[in-house]
Amino acid sequence: QVQLKESGPGLVQPSETLSLTCTVSGFSLTSYSVSWVRQPSGKGPEWMGRMWYDGDTAYNSALKSRLSISRDTSKNQVFLKMNSLQTDDTGTYYCTTLNYGGWVDAWGQGASVTVSS
Amino acid sequence: IQLTQSPSLLSASVGDRVTLSCKGSQNINNYLAWYQQKLGEAPKLLIYNTNSLQTGIPSRFSGSGSGTDYTLTISSLQPEDVATYFCYQYNNGLTFGSGTKLEIK
Repeated sequence: QVQLKESGPGLVQPSETLSLTCTVSGFSLTSYSVSWVRQPSGKGPEWMGRMWYDGDTAYNSALKSRLSISRDTSKNQVFLKMNSLQTDDTGTYYCTTLNYGGWVDAWGQGASVTVSS
Repeated sequence: IQLTQSPSLLSASVGDRVTLSCKGSQNINNYLAWYQQKLGEAPKLLIYNTNSLQTGIPSRFSGSGSGTDYTLTISSLQPEDVATYFCYQYNNGLTFGSGTKLEIK
């Protein structure tokens, strides 16, 4: 059974860096791609970036300058780092699988992140 | 590609046939999916490639469309269908719509 679980700090100071970890089970990171998607409260989701099964990455052009996605296949983990956080980065951050066809299929439970001093 | 969903809020009665709309700013070439998000939960995939039903999703959900215009239809609304529905395109970049909130009248 495919499972994804996000972990990280719930509160980040403005201008600081957000670090989140996605721990997966039920599939191999070398066979399936993982994406990060975020959602401000009451708004639609926003795709942030993805780690391809071959280790390559792709980013939303609006976030590319601040965002980095990496992985540790031995630990079944994918990492998100985003710097220069502002209050409008507040929201729920999801780790998801990305089907070969391009659609998001499985979602983690989400990690709530608040940017505030 | 930007996605515009309408209406933003829809109120209907149990048993009603419900239609939700998603319009792209460019041709989506049928690379469109629909998600259901209940309050406090992560979104759940309902339909991909315009009209393919995800495993385990009730057959009252169906999708259609082409070009820039797509539709999610619930043939007979059930109380458990109360949720916000998002469309998502993967033809050119990956973008989500802003959602349609569906409530029971």
